[in-house]
Amino acid sequence: EAQVTQNPRYLITVTGKKLTVTCSQNMNHEYMSWYRQDPGLGLRQIYYSMNVEVTDKGDVPEGYKVSRKEKRNFPLILESPSPNQTSLYFCASSQGATEQPQHFGDGTRLSIL
Amino acid sequence: SQQGEEDPQALSIQEGENATMNCSYKTSINNLQWYRQNSGRGLVHLILIRSNEREKHSGRLRVTLDTSKKSSSLLITASRAADTASYFCATDDTGGFKTIFGAGTRLFVKA
Repeated sequence: EAQVTQNPRYLITVTGKKLTVTCSQNMNHEYMSWYRQDPGLGLRQIYYSMNVEVTDKGDVPEGYKVSRKEKRNFPLILESPSPNQTSLYFCASSQGATEQPQHFGDGTRLSIL
Repeated sequence: SQQGEEDPQALSIQEGENATMNCSYKTSINNLQWYRQNSGRGLVHLILIRSNEREKHSGRLRVTLDTSKKSSSLLITASRAADTASYFCATDDTGGFKTIFGAGTRLFVKA
């Protein structure tokens, strides 16, 4: 089954404790992306990757890092999480960049105290 | 950066009625997509319309695009309770690599 898998689905942690949210897709997609969703703001793009070793900033990259060492994986790293990063996070992938439909994971709800 | 903005923010209709949602954006685009999100779940792609297309259909969905007005509309005909969800439009930026989502329209279909 074609899918985008995120882990964990839920996480409560404390300020400053490094965390990683993993994302994996099994569709051999080149384009992957991370979004955060906050009430009233829709989805905002954090980072995207056009292919292995090619990443670039979205609209809200501050406080986040990503890497794309393999085509299927695109982890999101919060080196020193802060409460304003409490949000619902989505990973997505697509065959092309923005000209193709994106497939979304089920989301990761992060709470940073 | 540009942003798609949906209108209305919320819409409540009876089952069987049509639902229309609008999206406006600020700069030129290559394509526009509509997605649906059931409460707290991942987004599901509904339809993509390219900048050289004016109208597209998929089942009960009809999407129009007016590039001169920088706007798009999503029409759901004969709505069902299962259509209750949030609907988002998404556009590319001028470079074609970023994706810009609007804040969404929450649709509630009463049975």
